[in-house]
Amino acid sequence: KNEVEQSPQNLTAQEGEFITINCSYSVGISALHWLQQHPGGGIVSLFMLSSGKKKHGRLIATINIQEKHSSLHITASHPRDSAVYICAVSGSYNTDKLIFGTGTRLQVFP
Amino acid sequence: ETGVTQTPRHLVMGMTNKKSLKCEQHLGHNAMYWYKQSAKKPLELMFVYNFKEQTENNSVPSRFSPECPNSSHLFLHLHTLQPEDSALYLCASSQDEAGGLANEKLFFGSGTQLSVL
Repeated sequence: KNEVEQSPQNLTAQEGEFITINCSYSVGISALHWLQQHPGGGIVSLFMLSSGKKKHGRLIATINIQEKHSSLHITASHPRDSAVYICAVSGSYNTDKLIFGTGTRLQVFP
Repeated sequence: ETGVTQTPRHLVMGMTNKKSLKCEQHLGHNAMYWYKQSAKKPLELMFVYNFKEQTENNSVPSRFSPECPNSSHLFLHLHTLQPEDSALYLCASSQDEAGGLANEKLFFGSGTQLSVL
């Protein structure tokens, strides 16, 4: 079992839908990252958070430290949001290495 | 444009070839990384360089040889690779501030898609 689990693995949506991607982890963490990888490979860092909630445009990331769970929400989804979304955590005892989930593949259709 | 440039974008090589991947960052960062991404597997950290010094070698086979001549450039030299080494190789950089490298925002290049025949 991976230390970082994401669900669902694959997700399809119609344009305009509200989307939620989940990340659960089993280790104590100092930070959690959400990354976006578009077809073609490039990865962009969306959020880094250690508590509460962050918002950037139509993207919202939340984290519940007690439940060891984070969610990434996309409001008013658009086809350009189609990508792989990756969750990664920085462990409390090793703050130099990230532990990655396998990603959630999102496709938004017009 | 993330400020991290990787070349080439695609590379096909035979098992007896020697090739190099190049990464350059224009962000003034101190830390640079090589990651390997295979299908349906999480990103795997290969090497970390911090202030030009290698601080992490994640049990990577010696057929992969990194080089970091300065804080802006990172190379991955490849020789006698195996077909299972076919993957996307991603370079990343971050600023190193107190608190641990994994607590810094990462900036990735677009990757080199490597196929070993």
